[in-house]
Amino acid sequence: DTGVSQNPRHKITKRGQNVTFRCDPISEHNRLYWYRQTLGQGPEFLTYFQNEAQLEKSRLLSDRFSAERPKGSFSTLEIQRTEQGDSAMYLCASSLVEGDRPYGYTFGSGTRLTVV
Amino acid sequence: GENVEQHPSTLSVQEGDSAVIKCTYSDSASNYFPWYKQELGKRPQLIIDIRSNVGEKKDQRIAVTLNKTAKHFSLHITETQPEDSAVYFCAASLSGYSTLTFGKGTMLLVSP
Repeated sequence: DTGVSQNPRHKITKRGQNVTFRCDPISEHNRLYWYRQTLGQGPEFLTYFQNEAQLEKSRLLSDRFSAERPKGSFSTLEIQRTEQGDSAMYLCASSLVEGDRPYGYTFGSGTRLTVV
Repeated sequence: GENVEQHPSTLSVQEGDSAVIKCTYSDSASNYFPWYKQELGKRPQLIIDIRSNVGEKKDQRIAVTLNKTAKHFSLHITETQPEDSAVYFCAASLSGYSTLTFGKGTMLLVSP
Protein backbone atom coordinates (compact mmCIF):
# COMPACT_ATOMS: atom_id res chain seq x y z
CA ASP A 1 0.00 0.00 0.00
CA THR A 2 1.75 3.13 -1.22
CA GLY A 3 -0.71 5.74 -0.03
CA VAL A 4 -3.99 7.32 -1.04
CA SER A 5 -4.77 6.63 -4.69
CA GLN A 6 -7.09 8.72 -6.84
CA ASN A 7 -8.40 8.11 -10.33
CA PRO A 8 -8.46 9.59 -12.83
CA ARG A 9 -5.64 12.11 -12.45
CA HIS A 10 -7.22 14.44 -14.98
CA LYS A 11 -10.74 14.77 -16.35
CA ILE A 12 -11.98 17.14 -19.01
CA THR A 13 -15.72 17.22 -19.48
CA LYS A 14 -18.32 19.32 -21.21
CA ARG A 15 -20.66 21.45 -19.16
CA GLY A 16 -23.75 19.52 -18.20
CA GLN A 17 -22.10 16.10 -18.19
CA ASN A 18 -21.78 13.91 -15.12
CA VAL A 19 -18.39 12.85 -13.78
CA THR A 20 -17.29 10.37 -11.15
CA PHE A 21 -13.99 10.20 -9.29
CA ARG A 22 -12.61 7.36 -7.24
CA CYS A 23 -10.46 7.34 -4.11
CA ASP A 24 -8.72 4.35 -2.59
CA PRO A 25 -7.52 5.21 0.92
CA ILE A 26 -4.69 3.66 2.87
CA SER A 27 -6.11 0.24 3.69
CA GLU A 28 -5.91 0.42 7.48
CA HIS A 29 -7.42 3.92 7.64
CA ASN A 30 -11.05 4.19 8.77
CA ARG A 31 -11.73 7.83 7.86
CA LEU A 32 -11.92 9.20 4.35
CA TYR A 33 -12.25 12.87 3.39
CA TRP A 34 -12.96 14.80 0.21
CA TYR A 35 -11.61 18.31 -0.34
CA ARG A 36 -11.70 20.70 -3.27
CA GLN A 37 -8.81 23.00 -4.15
CA THR A 38 -8.93 25.85 -6.64
CA LEU A 39 -5.91 27.69 -7.98
CA GLY A 40 -4.21 29.82 -5.36
CA GLN A 41 -6.38 28.58 -2.52
CA GLY A 42 -6.07 26.05 0.24
CA PRO A 43 -8.11 22.85 0.15
CA GLU A 44 -11.75 23.26 1.20
CA PHE A 45 -13.55 20.49 3.04
CA LEU A 46 -16.45 18.80 1.23
CA THR A 47 -17.37 15.67 3.19
CA TYR A 48 -16.00 12.78 5.21
CA PHE A 49 -16.77 9.16 6.04
CA GLN A 50 -16.16 7.07 9.11
CA ASN A 51 -16.05 3.59 7.63
CA GLU A 52 -19.14 3.55 5.36
CA ALA A 53 -21.07 6.27 7.20
CA GLN A 54 -21.03 9.80 5.79
CA LEU A 55 -20.75 11.88 8.95
CA GLU A 56 -20.41 15.46 7.76
CA LYS A 57 -21.09 17.45 4.62
CA SER A 58 -19.99 21.00 3.89
CA ARG A 59 -22.41 23.59 2.54
CA LEU A 60 -20.09 23.57 -0.51
CA LEU A 61 -21.50 20.14 -1.34
CA SER A 62 -24.54 21.15 -3.39
CA ASP A 63 -27.24 18.68 -4.36
CA ARG A 64 -25.35 18.06 -7.62
CA PHE A 65 -22.60 16.41 -5.60
CA SER A 66 -22.88 12.97 -4.05
CA ALA A 67 -20.28 10.84 -2.34
CA GLU A 68 -20.40 7.21 -1.37
CA ARG A 69 -18.25 4.72 0.44
CA PRO A 70 -20.38 1.60 0.13
CA LYS A 71 -18.16 -0.96 1.81
CA GLY A 72 -16.06 1.29 3.96
CA SER A 73 -13.11 0.97 1.61
CA PHE A 74 -12.90 3.03 -1.60
CA SER A 75 -15.08 6.08 -2.14
CA THR A 76 -16.60 7.77 -5.17
CA LEU A 77 -17.49 11.42 -5.68
CA GLU A 78 -20.00 12.16 -8.41
CA ILE A 79 -20.82 15.57 -9.82
CA GLN A 80 -23.99 15.79 -11.88
CA ARG A 81 -24.70 18.45 -14.51
CA THR A 82 -21.21 19.89 -14.21
CA GLU A 83 -20.71 23.65 -14.35
CA GLN A 84 -17.58 25.63 -15.18
CA GLY A 85 -17.33 26.63 -11.54
CA ASP A 86 -16.78 22.99 -10.66
CA SER A 87 -13.36 23.12 -12.30
CA ALA A 88 -10.89 22.39 -9.51
CA MET A 89 -8.58 19.80 -8.02
CA TYR A 90 -10.53 17.25 -6.00
CA LEU A 91 -8.41 15.83 -3.21
CA CYS A 92 -9.07 12.76 -1.15
CA ALA A 93 -7.45 12.11 2.22
CA SER A 94 -7.59 9.32 4.77
CA SER A 95 -6.65 8.84 8.38
CA LEU A 96 -6.83 6.27 11.12
CA VAL A 97 -8.65 7.19 14.29
CA GLU A 98 -8.20 5.12 17.43
CA GLY A 99 -9.68 6.54 20.57
CA ASP A 100 -8.71 10.19 20.51
CA ARG A 101 -5.51 9.69 18.58
CA PRO A 102 -5.26 10.39 14.89
CA TYR A 103 -2.65 8.80 12.71
CA GLY A 104 -1.48 9.71 9.25
CA TYR A 105 -3.82 12.32 7.76
CA THR A 106 -2.62 11.66 4.22
CA PHE A 107 -3.71 13.24 0.96
CA GLY A 108 -3.88 11.68 -2.46
CA SER A 109 -2.55 13.38 -5.59
CA GLY A 110 -5.99 14.52 -6.60
CA THR A 111 -8.19 14.53 -9.68
CA ARG A 112 -8.01 17.71 -11.70
CA LEU A 113 -11.40 18.47 -13.26
CA THR A 114 -11.77 20.90 -16.14
CA VAL A 115 -15.27 21.74 -17.29
CA VAL A 116 -15.38 23.29 -20.77
CA GLY B 1 -17.16 28.01 11.62
CA GLU B 2 -13.41 28.16 11.81
CA ASN B 3 -11.51 30.76 9.78
CA VAL B 4 -7.76 30.61 9.20
CA GLU B 5 -5.75 33.58 7.95
CA GLN B 6 -2.23 33.05 6.61
CA HIS B 7 0.54 35.57 5.92
CA PRO B 8 2.46 36.36 3.85
CA SER B 9 1.05 35.12 0.56
CA THR B 10 4.53 35.05 -0.97
CA LEU B 11 7.94 34.95 0.67
CA SER B 12 11.30 35.16 -1.08
CA VAL B 13 14.49 34.36 0.80
CA GLN B 14 18.09 33.61 0.00
CA GLU B 15 19.41 30.11 0.54
CA GLY B 16 20.54 29.74 4.14
CA ASP B 17 18.19 32.39 5.50
CA SER B 18 15.27 31.64 7.80
CA ALA B 19 11.63 31.82 6.76
CA VAL B 20 8.63 32.44 8.99
CA ILE B 21 4.99 31.96 8.01
CA LYS B 22 2.22 33.04 10.35
CA CYS B 23 -1.39 31.94 10.76
CA THR B 24 -4.25 33.03 12.95
CA TYR B 25 -7.42 31.09 13.70
CA SER B 26 -10.81 32.16 14.98
CA ASP B 27 -12.24 29.20 16.91
CA SER B 28 -10.69 28.93 20.35
CA ALA B 29 -11.87 25.29 20.48
CA SER B 30 -9.45 24.30 17.70
CA ASN B 31 -6.72 22.13 19.13
CA TYR B 32 -4.78 20.63 16.22
CA PHE B 33 -2.64 22.63 13.81
CA PRO B 34 -0.85 20.88 10.95
CA TRP B 35 1.34 22.40 8.27
CA TYR B 36 1.43 21.04 4.73
CA LYS B 37 3.92 21.53 1.92
CA GLN B 38 2.59 21.34 -1.63
CA GLU B 39 4.88 21.33 -4.64
CA LEU B 40 3.48 22.24 -8.02
CA GLY B 41 1.09 19.57 -9.26
CA LYS B 42 1.63 17.35 -6.24
CA ARG B 43 -0.31 16.38 -3.15
CA PRO B 44 -0.19 18.34 0.10
CA GLN B 45 2.29 16.62 2.40
CA LEU B 46 2.25 16.94 6.17
CA ILE B 47 5.55 18.37 7.37
CA ILE B 48 4.84 19.09 11.03
CA ASP B 49 1.90 19.47 13.38
CA ILE B 50 1.22 20.72 16.87
CA ARG B 51 -1.52 20.20 19.42
CA SER B 52 -2.91 22.78 21.79
CA ASN B 53 -1.25 21.27 24.86
CA VAL B 54 2.18 22.03 23.38
CA GLY B 55 3.71 25.46 22.77
CA GLU B 56 6.50 24.48 20.41
CA LYS B 57 7.61 21.53 18.36
CA LYS B 58 10.76 21.08 16.34
CA ASP B 59 11.84 18.63 13.67
CA GLN B 60 15.32 19.28 12.29
CA ARG B 61 15.14 22.57 10.35
CA ILE B 62 11.42 23.01 10.87
CA ALA B 63 9.67 24.28 13.99
CA VAL B 64 6.14 25.32 14.82
CA THR B 65 5.06 27.58 17.68
CA LEU B 66 1.56 28.02 19.06
CA ASN B 67 0.12 30.87 21.11
CA LYS B 68 -3.33 29.76 22.24
CA THR B 69 -4.13 33.03 23.96
CA ALA B 70 -3.52 35.03 20.81
CA LYS B 71 -4.84 32.25 18.58
CA HIS B 72 -1.90 32.21 16.27
CA PHE B 73 0.72 29.72 15.22
CA SER B 74 3.82 30.00 13.08
CA LEU B 75 6.09 27.85 10.94
CA HIS B 76 9.81 28.47 11.13
CA ILE B 77 12.23 27.06 8.58
CA THR B 78 15.92 27.57 9.24
CA GLU B 79 18.84 27.22 6.82
CA THR B 80 16.48 27.26 3.85
CA GLN B 81 17.40 25.31 0.74
CA PRO B 82 16.12 25.64 -2.84
CA GLU B 83 14.18 22.38 -2.41
CA ASP B 84 12.15 24.09 0.32
CA SER B 85 10.52 26.15 -2.44
CA ALA B 86 6.82 25.24 -2.48
CA VAL B 87 3.44 26.43 -1.27
CA TYR B 88 2.94 25.98 2.46
CA PHE B 89 -0.50 25.70 4.03
CA CYS B 90 -1.45 25.97 7.65
CA ALA B 91 -4.65 24.37 8.91
CA ALA B 92 -6.71 24.11 12.06
CA SER B 93 -9.01 21.43 13.36
CA LEU B 94 -11.23 20.84 16.36
CA SER B 95 -9.45 17.55 16.83
CA GLY B 96 -6.63 15.66 15.27
CA TYR B 97 -8.88 13.61 13.08
CA SER B 98 -11.63 15.96 12.14
CA THR B 99 -12.02 18.23 9.16
CA LEU B 100 -9.25 20.70 8.46
CA THR B 101 -9.74 24.38 7.71
CA PHE B 102 -6.84 25.63 5.60
CA GLY B 103 -5.24 29.00 5.12
CA LYS B 104 -4.78 30.34 1.61
CA GLY B 105 -1.16 29.32 1.43
CA THR B 106 2.26 30.94 1.26
CA MET B 107 4.45 30.54 -1.79
CA LEU B 108 8.03 30.24 -0.53
CA LEU B 109 10.80 30.87 -3.03
CA VAL B 110 14.35 30.07 -1.95
CA SER B 111 16.97 31.48 -4.27
CA PRO B 112 20.40 29.83 -4.53
